[in-house]
Amino acid sequence: SYDLTQPLSVSVALGQTARITCGGNNIGSKNVHWYQQRPGQAPVLVIYSGSNRPSGIPERFSGSNSGKTATLTISRAQAGDEADYYCQVWDSNTAFFGGGTKLTV
Amino acid sequence: EVQLLESGGGLVQPGGSLRLSCAASGFTFSSYAMSWVRQAPGKGLEWVSAINNNGGSTYYADSVKGRFTISRDNSMDKLYLQMNSLRAEDTAVYYCAKYVNTYGYSFDIWGQGTMVTVSS
Repeated sequence: SYDLTQPLSVSVALGQTARITCGGNNIGSKNVHWYQQRPGQAPVLVIYSGSNRPSGIPERFSGSNSGKTATLTISRAQAGDEADYYCQVWDSNTAFFGGGTKLTV
Repeated sequence: EVQLLESGGGLVQPGGSLRLSCAASGFTFSSYAMSWVRQAPGKGLEWVSAINNNGGSTYYADSVKGRFTISRDNSMDKLYLQMNSLRAEDTAVYYCAKYVNTYGYSFDIWGQGTMVTVSS
C-alpha cells in the first residue's frame, strides 16, 4: 500500500494563488498526476508526471514534485476552479489516489 | 472525439453479480491500457482494476481481488468489469479510464460513470 496525504480543504481568494499538497514516502521519485473533479462530473487530468499540462489545460495550472511533497499550484484562481483535486501515483502495478482536497474560491 | 461510455450499473442485492461495460470511440482502443476507478457517494476516488492493451495482464485492488474480473474485447472496442459477490461497500460510481505511457501512465480520458448500488 502507498499512502498519499492531501489537506481536506484549501481556500483561496479570487485572483490569488492556491497550492494543494500531496505527501507520500519518497514521492519525489514517482510520477505524480493531478485530477480536477467538479461536482457531478468525471475527473479531468490537469497535470501529469509532476509538472506537465495536457493540451487544453490553462497555463494557470502548474505542478512540482520534490522530496516528500508534490504540489499543484493554481494561479489567478477563478470561480470555475472550485472543485475537488486528487493526486495519484502508481506503485507495484497499483494506482493510488490521495484523499482529495476541496478547493474553495 | 475521444469518448468512453459506461453502462450496466444498477441496483443489486448483496451477494449478487453485475457486469459493467465501457464502450470506447475516437481512438485505437487496442493500443491502450484501460482501468476502472470507483467513487463511493461523498467519498474520494479508488482504483479498482487495470488491464493492458491486449488483455494479457490484469491487476486488481486488494478490496476486489477474487470477486471482480476485468476483461476487454478489442474487436468491439469494449472494456468490461464482471462483479461477483457484491457487498454494500461496493456501492459507488464506476468510471472507466484510459491510461497511456505518453502521459506518464496517468488517466487521461474518463467516462461519465455508471452507478452501482448494492442494497437489499
